[in-house]
Amino acid sequence: GAVVSQHPSWVICKSGTSVKIECRSLDFQATTMFWYRQFPKQSLMLMATSNEGSKATYEQGVEKDKFLINHASLTLSTLTVTSAHPEDSSFYICSAQQGATSPQHFGDGTRLSIL
Amino acid sequence: RKEVEQDPGPFNVPEGATVAFNCTYSNSASQSFFWYRQDCRKEPKLLMSVYSSGNEDGRFTAQLNRASQYISLLIRDSKLSDSATYLCVVNQGNQGGKLIFGQGTELSVKP
Repeated sequence: GAVVSQHPSWVICKSGTSVKIECRSLDFQATTMFWYRQFPKQSLMLMATSNEGSKATYEQGVEKDKFLINHASLTLSTLTVTSAHPEDSSFYICSAQQGATSPQHFGDGTRLSIL
Repeated sequence: RKEVEQDPGPFNVPEGATVAFNCTYSNSASQSFFWYRQDCRKEPKLLMSVYSSGNEDGRFTAQLNRASQYISLLIRDSKLSDSATYLCVVNQGNQGGKLIFGQGTELSVKP
């Protein structure tokens, strides 16, 4: 149980392109979904917390106009990296959680490379 | 002081060894605790939740000491496949489920 699917797993695109990443909880309803970014040899950095039907809460230093989050249902959240540039290249990982003290279950991650 | 601190590592051990990871957290109001493992270039996977009474899952034993704000993970009879980065993770409970990650301890099990 507790499967989270993330798509796509790998994206390579030109600078200036917008990239959309989907995160789905396949066998449970997630009250909250989280978006993380991880650079090589570093720990996960939380970007934003997303609750279904409400605006995402962004961590300090994360541009909400750059990283658009939509949480349309209890099983789907999307992250759009708008006008991506090489410095946005990173490993983006989503997670989903059923309750506030439950563990988070992570998607497979999306490796984004901007040329 | 970091909110969650782990042994810096890396740990290099032979197959069959017993290895222990230590972790401390700063917020005494923290409510739930987990160990995750992360393989290179992969997402973190939940290894086990950690309970005050201590819990065991096969070769893995987790302990929590709330008074000392200390969490541990013991791996017995380590296998090559145990090589990964182990993340100590704390949920403070009052931030809508937000997890606080330790920096991770890398384990390398050698033949």
